[in-house]
Amino acid sequence: AQRVTQPEKLLSVFKGAPVELKCNYSYSGSPELFWYVQYSRQRLQLLLRHISRESIKGFTADLNKGETSFHLKKPFAQEEDSAMYYCALQTGANNLFFGTGTRLTVIP
Amino acid sequence: EPEVTQTPSHQVTQMGQEVILRCVPISNHLYFYWYRQILGQKVEFLVSFYNNEISEKSEIFDDQFSVERPDGSNFTLKIRSTKLEDSAMYFCASSGTRGNQETQYFGPGTRLLVL
Repeated sequence: AQRVTQPEKLLSVFKGAPVELKCNYSYSGSPELFWYVQYSRQRLQLLLRHISRESIKGFTADLNKGETSFHLKKPFAQEEDSAMYYCALQTGANNLFFGTGTRLTVIP
Repeated sequence: EPEVTQTPSHQVTQMGQEVILRCVPISNHLYFYWYRQILGQKVEFLVSFYNNEISEKSEIFDDQFSVERPDGSNFTLKIRSTKLEDSAMYFCASSGTRGNQETQYFGPGTRLLVL
């Protein structure tokens, strides 16, 4: 069965500091992984997906199959990054399985 | 930019009553989904829908639940005989095709409270 683990419920960093939101997964198939973000009073929206290998709003995430991880990183946190971040695994059926989420607070 | 919309934004109902949550997916999308999030817990997959039938459903999606696409634009989730534990945020999502890495676009959610 698939599982997505985000070990930190809350994470606070100072503005300008590096940030890393952890995500580990368990899945027998070939994983397709995503990070979704939910800003205050807004809907869930896609931040980035591993296959694109892109940087969005300064965030990157690398899929490490050996460690079964997909950690989200940003070298310099900004106040507007404060949000709820969800790691999600897509199965072959196209359904998304979410982690419990990490609430990131960037302190000015 | 087109968005998924959901109505109502909030619904309060008595235990045992039926509720219908409505969603309007992005117009050219083919795949539709319902997820729910109980307060303080993670977002959970309920059901996916394609070509007027259920593609996949989770163990949460029991006989109490049903989905329908009554016309060319709406996608509904019906909960028969609501229970207290059905109180949650319900999200609708849609995507264009079934390919891997196809982005799912989420609606703003309906907050359901069962009393």
